[in-house]
Amino acid sequence: DTEVTQTPKHLVMGMTNKKSLKCEQHMGHRAMYWYKQKAKKPPELMFVYSYEKLSINESVPSRFSPECPNSSLLNLHLHALQPEDSALYLCASSQEGGGRADTQYFGPGTRLTVL
Amino acid sequence: GENVEQHPSTLSVQEGDSAVIKCTYSDSASNYFPWYKQELGKRPQLIIDIRSNVGEKKDQRIAVTLNKTAKHFSLHITETQPEDSAVYFCAATDMNYGGSQGNLIFGKGTKLSVKP
Repeated sequence: DTEVTQTPKHLVMGMTNKKSLKCEQHMGHRAMYWYKQKAKKPPELMFVYSYEKLSINESVPSRFSPECPNSSLLNLHLHALQPEDSALYLCASSQEGGGRADTQYFGPGTRLTVL
Repeated sequence: GENVEQHPSTLSVQEGDSAVIKCTYSDSASNYFPWYKQELGKRPQLIIDIRSNVGEKKDQRIAVTLNKTAKHFSLHITETQPEDSAVYFCAATDMNYGGSQGNLIFGKGTKLSVKP
């Protein structure tokens, strides 16, 4: 199984809401990533978890809070977002993290709209 | 850190023709170069990748070449088909990011249109 799954597919939220994005992989990968992708732009790295520990935080605002409950799951908690945070949020995973470049497999993404 | 430049930003070819997309990178320590295809509204999907110990890799109609001296790599698609139409992203590993390695820096993408 080479699939990364993400829920929900679409999310509309107000600026005062709290919501969470979920990502799951069952490939035994030890590195998981959150990317943000705006229309017609490449994915931008937000966070990297390596062996369930946060290894990279790309200066992301605190209204985005990642969580890695176990090696298969990755969450992104959202609170007090701004309309400019509307984007496609992609999760990815790779076999190793922190020291080796491995193929990253992307999930289908969550299309987030902030009103 | 790594910087990746990708050209052209748009490319239109006739079905059956070849398409070439080029990328340059700045960090000579980078050692992994994947190419992703992203159709509208879908996830990026890996189509081919190459590591720095190899100069060329081919998979059916798709090939990637790497010139480490010049720090550039290219995607070649032969006998293009309408279903090849998509945005293609190149990427390179960022080997000096805060002590962690193996994270990807993406080029800005190339929108390929294949006309029947």
